[in-house]
Amino acid sequence: EVQLVQSGAEVKKPGESLKISCKGSGYSFSSYWIGWVRQMPGKGLEWMGIIYPGDSDTRYSPSFQGQVTISVDKSISTAYLQWSSLKASDTAMYYCARRDYNNYYFDYWGQGTLVTVSS
Amino acid sequence: QSALTQPASVSGSPGQSITISCTGTSSDVGGYNYVSWYQQHPGKAPKLMIYDVRNRPSGVSNRFSGSKSGNTASLTISGLQAEDEADYYCSSYRSSPPVVFGGGTKLTVL
Repeated sequence: EVQLVQSGAEVKKPGESLKISCKGSGYSFSSYWIGWVRQMPGKGLEWMGIIYPGDSDTRYSPSFQGQVTISVDKSISTAYLQWSSLKASDTAMYYCARRDYNNYYFDYWGQGTLVTVSS
Repeated sequence: QSALTQPASVSGSPGQSITISCTGTSSDVGGYNYVSWYQQHPGKAPKLMIYDVRNRPSGVSNRFSGSKSGNTASLTISGLQAEDEADYYCSSYRSSPPVVFGGGTKLTVL
């Protein structure tokens, strides 16, 4: 069974750093892209970026380029999303999701990680 | 980047059919057959319902169907059921960024 399991909810202060994770299982982790999607409170889905674990090829949405870093450790089938300096506007639910190599849709999703940034 | 345009809300009675539209441009919806649709219940992760315009993943009811005409894609739900009440998002390939979502549509089953 394909599963993407994300790390737990986080509460941080502005200016702090954070790294959240997404662990894949039940499939060949290196052969599928892992993407990250933001959902701010009461709002829609926003595509942030995507990484291919096989060679760490990474693409970012222009809206998120320079704001976050996407990385992967394929030895433990885990992708990461990190911030070096959080802002209150980073408060949101973050989902990871799997995408086949030559497709453009996410077929499996993680359960989401809620990030709250507040002083 | 501009999101794809969806109606904010649609509604229908049990048993009826509804259609949700998703309007983009020739650079995304109109230019590629890579439109997908996701269902999201409150507090839950999105679920893939349609991919590549009209294909259903295994396990998705055949009451859900997708189509496209020009720069507008559509999701049709027939035989509406209470469990279909959710938010629905379209998505399309676009060269940069590689994927863009619609703003979402709240479906209410009356």
